Amino acid sequence: KQEVTQIPAALSVPEGENLVLNCSFTDSAIYNLQWFRQDPGKGLTSLLLIQSSQREQTSGRLNASLDKSSGRSTLYIAASQPGDSATYLCAVTGTYKYIFGTGTRLKVLA
Amino acid sequence: NAGVTQTPKFRVLKTGQSMTLLCAQDMNHEYMYWYRQDPGMGLRLIHYSVGEGTTAKGEVPDGYNVSRLKKQNFLLGLESAAPSQTSVYFCASSYWGTRTEAFFGQGTRLTVV
Repeated sequence: KQEVTQIPAALSVPEGENLVLNCSFTDSAIYNLQWFRQDPGKGLTSLLLIQSSQREQTSGRLNASLDKSSGRSTLYIAASQPGDSATYLCAVTGTYKYIFGTGTRLKVLA
Repeated sequence: NAGVTQTPKFRVLKTGQSMTLLCAQDMNHEYMYWYRQDPGMGLRLIHYSVGEGTTAKGEVPDGYNVSRLKKQNFLLGLESAAPSQTSVYFCASSYWGTRTEAFFGQGTRLTVV
């Protein structure tokens, strides 16, 4: 059974810091991995999708990497801003469903 | 550019009452999903659909029913609500299953008292 773990569960950093969020999964047989952002009381916003054949994807200040063999993905946020404060979720994909981690709650202090 | 729209956004039910949550997507996606999100448990799949007229069970289907009569709509029904169904419900859609990007609605916060 696929299990997805995100560490740390919560993170507080000063504005401007570069940071890394981690996602690990137990079964390397995935189609892709997707990172989401969730603001309090809101839905999930897709940030980056990495296909299983890819190693990384970039969007603005965000860079996500995928290492299927080790069952790991990282989300790198450059020059963090208070507006980046949110919960970040990763999801890996099986045949018909997305399997989510429980997220990392990020707070960027001004 | 609506994307995925859920109705209603909030609801309070009494135990034993029934209700239907509506999910509508305007992206012509084949696949649609219903998830519930609970503290400490992440998102769990309730039911999903791979196309109009199809439905299938996910991880936690008990107490819920679904229908996909039109491609753009996916309905989640609670026939007899229980306090254990207090949760935030999210609908999602994707063009071609998990090989493609998933888009989520804003959620429905349901409280059963």
